[in-house]
Amino acid sequence: GAVVSQHPSWVICKSGTSVKIECRSLDFQATTMFWYRQFPKQSLMLMATSNEGSKATYEQGVEKDKFLINHASLTLSTLTVTSAHPEDSSFYICSARAGTQNTEAFFGQGTRLTVV
Amino acid sequence: GENVEQHPSTLSVQEGDSAVIKCTYSDSASNYFPWYKQELGKRPQLIIDIRSNVGEKKDQRIAVTLNKTAKHFSLHITETQPEDSAVYFCAARVSGTYKYIFGTGTRLKVLA
Repeated sequence: GAVVSQHPSWVICKSGTSVKIECRSLDFQATTMFWYRQFPKQSLMLMATSNEGSKATYEQGVEKDKFLINHASLTLSTLTVTSAHPEDSSFYICSARAGTQNTEAFFGQGTRLTVV
Repeated sequence: GENVEQHPSTLSVQEGDSAVIKCTYSDSASNYFPWYKQELGKRPQLIIDIRSNVGEKKDQRIAVTLNKTAKHFSLHITETQPEDSAVYFCAARVSGTYKYIFGTGTRLKVLA
């Protein structure tokens, strides 16, 4: 199946700093990628849809100025958590859809963010 | 918007027994329903999916059934094994998009 790679796998940062997470489709082009957030023992909550070459679409309640998404190429989307706070600590996972006819989404391995 | 409910939240079964996880969705226009298995700290892995034009799909020990009228779908795992222990998530694709809304998850424990 298609491979989605996320980097870094884990990161610890200080409060007030920004953290960038990368999501790459390694063997296919992804016009659309999705960013999810998962708290411990909870479900995946969709944060935003990342569209190549255009602005991301954010879900209700997600602050677009805090979670900056850039999808500058067909194989890379980035999520930047700005001015991170301890409550932003979570597991962030991206997914990408392979092709225009394929409905299946492939997930990255996730990034565990801890803000201290 | 689309809402997906999943039950039970936890499920313990003896090795060799069957496990059933149920989900309901709210958007009658949804037409794609994947199931994911997630082990601790790892990415969700697609294990089976079903589209709205079929009522049942089977892949070895795993099967999924869909009742469009009732807007619910279920995951069936037969002859469970300890390595089936994980968290399972159902999802529904939001009609007109490629966004998935996930259920709340079921933590399955298969007791040896």
